[in-house]
Amino acid sequence: NAGVTQTPKFRVLKTGQSMTLLCAQDMNHEYMYWYRQDPGMGLRLIHYSVGEGTTAKGEVPDGYNVSRLKKQNFLLGLESAAPSQTSVYFCASSYRDSRTGELFFGEGSRLTVL
Amino acid sequence: AQSVTQPDIHITVSEGASLELRCNYSYGATPYLFWYVQSPGQGLQLLLKYFSGDTLVQGIKGFEAEFKRSQSSFNLRKPSVHWSDAAEYFCAYTRGASKLTFGTGTRLQVTL
Repeated sequence: NAGVTQTPKFRVLKTGQSMTLLCAQDMNHEYMYWYRQDPGMGLRLIHYSVGEGTTAKGEVPDGYNVSRLKKQNFLLGLESAAPSQTSVYFCASSYRDSRTGELFFGEGSRLTVL
Repeated sequence: AQSVTQPDIHITVSEGASLELRCNYSYGATPYLFWYVQSPGQGLQLLLKYFSGDTLVQGIKGFEAEFKRSQSSFNLRKPSVHWSDAAEYFCAYTRGASKLTFGTGTRLQVTL
């Protein structure tokens, strides 16, 4: 059982380049989330989705876009990467909303923007 | 603004000693509270959660947490720490359907 899989796990970008992080879950979860983790700041919610075809902004959405075309996939895009987006990105999914549903996390994607 | 605060950035305990990690929340009503653990290089895993009812909740790996409304706290405890418990621990809360908000984390080091 793969759970939540993130690709790629590591990536180095130059300022201004674009890229997409892919999150795939095989648990048939409705809810999916993208967080970024920075030292001393915990995890901050970027965007989330409550079902196929839906997306919503989280705490720090600027500079990111997302899409949920298929229930099992949640893509995070950076159109023009900036050094401030250097971070570790975590995808998570849950069957129910975060009040009652446990979030299952991927192993993270480390992004460096030079 | 509503939030959770973890006042300890780093804690070191000896293997076999007891552990208490602090979490304070700032919210008018009782939020939904959680503790997650992150082992090095891994994603987060849920340890336990509190919604209502019994204020002492049991979780996995021998952890427990107690909700104290009077102190606005939800501290995580373990009677005897094992070396494998070395990790980063996050307190989190949610009041809305889809926005789980994390504290800044406490890194636990276990000495042998």
